[in-house]
Amino acid sequence: DVVMTQSPLSLPVTLGQPASISCRSSQSLVHSDGNTYLNWFQQRPGQSPRRLIYKVSNRDSGVPDRFSGSGSGTDFTLQISRVEAEDVGVYYCMQVTHWPPLTFGGGTKVEIK
Amino acid sequence: EVQLLESGGGLVQPGGSLRLSCEASGFTFSTSDMIWVRQAPGKGLEWVSGFSNGGRNAYYADSVKGRFTISRDNSKNTLYLQMNSLRAEDTAIYYCAKGTWGCCWGQGTLVTVSS
Repeated sequence: DVVMTQSPLSLPVTLGQPASISCRSSQSLVHSDGNTYLNWFQQRPGQSPRRLIYKVSNRDSGVPDRFSGSGSGTDFTLQISRVEAEDVGVYYCMQVTHWPPLTFGGGTKVEIK
Repeated sequence: EVQLLESGGGLVQPGGSLRLSCEASGFTFSTSDMIWVRQAPGKGLEWVSGFSNGGRNAYYADSVKGRFTISRDNSKNTLYLQMNSLRAEDTAIYYCAKGTWGCCWGQGTLVTVSS
């Protein structure tokens, strides 16, 4: 199974400042079809997860453009250009390339300093 | 708009059974892959089970294989998760989501396994 490792575990950020979350996979996430199936999810306190990014860098509808995804192979990053109060929550990466099983990173908690 | 509504959670004793339901609307359910994901209290997300290839293939996490069964009724636009031989470690919020990419999630239903 592919192991997804996120860092940091906790990320205190000042409002208006950037934030960056790393996700590394135990093997390349490039699928035989050439795509890389790496998604990012946001889970606000008390809410269900919401997908933000699919296939590394594609923002879902309604996701603010301050969120961006990048990376390739085994190293991926979610960036928030200017953190707002509504961005508080836990962020997860998830790989679909080598499913089953689907595997998630352990999560990164974003909080305001 | 995609909507997913889980139900069927509750308190059950170890060794007991529950059947979760996920009623879908706003998309063509019959040809959609679907997954179940759970979240233990204060923990991260864990994939449990899912359908791929338009529902023709079912897969399970090792932690639930042989105990849980995923099924669907396309006439009712409903996904199910039959959970048998429940253990304390199955205590979690159970979410259904559309597609293996997890585009859209329900609000979840809480399953508590305790004596």
